Amino acid sequence: AQSVAQPEDQVNVAEGNPLTVKCTYSVSGNPYLFWYVQYPNRGLQFLLKYITGDNLVKGSYGFEAEFNKSQTSFHLKKPSALVSDSALYFCAVSASPSNTGKLIFGQGTTLQVKP
Amino acid sequence: GAVVSQHPSWVICKSGTSVKIECRSLDFQATTMFWYRQFPKQSLMLMATSNEGSKATYEQGVEKDKFLINHASLTLSTLTVTSAHPEDSSFYICSARFTGEVLYEQYFGPGTRLTVT
Repeated sequence: AQSVAQPEDQVNVAEGNPLTVKCTYSVSGNPYLFWYVQYPNRGLQFLLKYITGDNLVKGSYGFEAEFNKSQTSFHLKKPSALVSDSALYFCAVSASPSNTGKLIFGQGTTLQVKP
Repeated sequence: GAVVSQHPSWVICKSGTSVKIECRSLDFQATTMFWYRQFPKQSLMLMATSNEGSKATYEQGVEKDKFLINHASLTLSTLTVTSAHPEDSSFYICSARFTGEVLYEQYFGPGTRLTVT
């Protein structure tokens, strides 16, 4: 069965510092990995995805993520955090996006960026 | 581009009544739409996958007769919560994929907050 784990409920970082939000996954076959961000009482906004190719993926708002197959991880990173990055972040995986397209979400990590 | 809307954004209804939530892809055609449920400070739980012109596929544990899903066109899917009860109160989010999608991401609506009194 597919699963996604985000081991941290909350990540706190000072503005200007680098941030990392962790994600590990379990899927049979090739993983298709996604990061989404959710602001209060809003839907999810797509940040980036890994389908194939370069392990370092660059996305929206300066975020990037590194796919590590041996560690089954897909951590979200940003070199310099902004207060406006404070939100709820979800990692998601799909084993067959070209078929059903079903996404399995992690439990979410709240990012708090302090001025 | 790739905008998904939901209507209403919030709704309060009395126990025992039914509520319909609409999900529309505004600037693209979506053969597949997904319905999720999210409890406060929790993750999204996939309820069902909706394909245009066919019956929805429900996830295990989701009552088909309670959560009626219709995907009548390439731009509209509806979720009807029948005989709503307070435990159905939640944040319902839909998402959509392009027809012939090759980029794989889903585009999410802004969500609908349902409160059953």
